[in-house]
Amino acid sequence: RKEVEQDPGPFNVPEGATVAFNCTYSNSASQSFFWYRQDCRKEPKLLMSVYSSGNEDGRFTAQLNRASQYISLLIRDSKLSDSATYLCVALKGQNFVFGPGTRLSVLP
Amino acid sequence: EAQVTQNPRYLITVTGKKLTVTCSQNMNHEYMSWYRQDPGLGLRQIYYSMNVEVTDKGDVPEGYKVSRKEKRNFPLILESPSPNQTSLYFCASSAPGQGKTGELFFGEGSRLTVL
Repeated sequence: RKEVEQDPGPFNVPEGATVAFNCTYSNSASQSFFWYRQDCRKEPKLLMSVYSSGNEDGRFTAQLNRASQYISLLIRDSKLSDSATYLCVALKGQNFVFGPGTRLSVLP
Repeated sequence: EAQVTQNPRYLITVTGKKLTVTCSQNMNHEYMSWYRQDPGLGLRQIYYSMNVEVTDKGDVPEGYKVSRKEKRNFPLILESPSPNQTSLYFCASSAPGQGKTGELFFGEGSRLTVL
């Protein structure tokens, strides 16, 4: 079983839709969590950190449930430019563990 | 400009011919890591290093070597490349103090083809 698992995708949604990605992690020692975004054939880049209290950055909302070992990312009012692969990442000690990613295509 | 630089960006080679992919960062980061990315498998960690002269295996270390003689450099060595090492490789770095913010800085990637 992978340490970090995500919805397999792909998600194909119309512009303006709300889309939610889920992620679970198996190692309870993981202390911090993040969402990264990766465009096709490009390097991953940090989208946002995930805090237990939940946090929002514009149209993006991230949630963490430590009891269920579950992380989510919600994107509201999807834009064409949101099309990318979204990677869930857990920090265990000082090592980063990546999920396999979920591909999102926002369609006009 | 803060950056992670990988070279070469593209390489086609033949089975058994030793090659090195260099990685250099100018941010004085202690943590560096190599990943490979293959369709359907996501990013898989090859090796990582917490500091100079400290390296550890990731999930898929077989067929690879690394060294960390200086803080800024973390080369990936393929002693005898095989076709199953054809992949897109990423180097990344971070600073322990930034662990909470989780910003891993990635190089632009090196696309390697082994014939």
